[in-house]
Amino acid sequence: AQSVTQPDIHITVSEGASLELRCNYSYGATPYLFWYVQSPGQGLQLLLKYFSGDTLVQGIKGFEAEFKRSQSSFNLRKPSVHWSDAAEYFCAVDLTDSWGKLQFGAGTQVVVTP
Amino acid sequence: GAGVSQSPRYKVAKRGQDVALRCDPISGHVSLFWYQQALGQGPEFLTYFQNEAQLDKSGLPSDRFFAERPEGSVSTLKIQRTQQEDSAVYLCASSHDRGTLNEQFFGPGTRLTVL
Repeated sequence: AQSVTQPDIHITVSEGASLELRCNYSYGATPYLFWYVQSPGQGLQLLLKYFSGDTLVQGIKGFEAEFKRSQSSFNLRKPSVHWSDAAEYFCAVDLTDSWGKLQFGAGTQVVVTP
Repeated sequence: GAGVSQSPRYKVAKRGQDVALRCDPISGHVSLFWYQQALGQGPEFLTYFQNEAQLDKSGLPSDRFFAERPEGSVSTLKIQRTQQEDSAVYLCASSHDRGTLNEQFFGPGTRLTVL
């Protein structure tokens, strides 16, 4: 069955340190992959997406992600975390390759300490 | 102009009551999605509209759930005879056109609590 796994439920990181969030997928075809961020009381916001081509994708707010087909992974990274990055992060896969039906992982909660 | 809006933001219902959740997508957006997000989980797809046509309702958990978008803009998600397991945040998203290449813009959600 198709699935999206985010192994880390909760990550604590110091402000200024680097951050990496893991995402693994199980999907038969070439996936379309996304990372979203959800802040309290806010809607989900798209950080970046991968469709094809260059496997290193740049997004908003200084985030990047790398698609590794051999590992079925799409990990999100940020070199230096700011306090405003505290939020929940979701990896998602498009199930349809057509009109955009998304399957989300369970999310990773990021806490930023001073 | 503004983004996707949803109302009410919070809804408390007694078990067995019917509820209606409203989504106002971004003006002119063709595609509209409903997702259900249980506590501590990621959003799960409920249903999809392209204009007024409901093209996929495979995620609706039971026949108590019904969605409509009669004029291809505002959408309503109705839940009849609510149960405690219906407690969740209901998210609406819209995109300019059909297709994965079109970014989905999410509303803030409606938090439904069934007592």
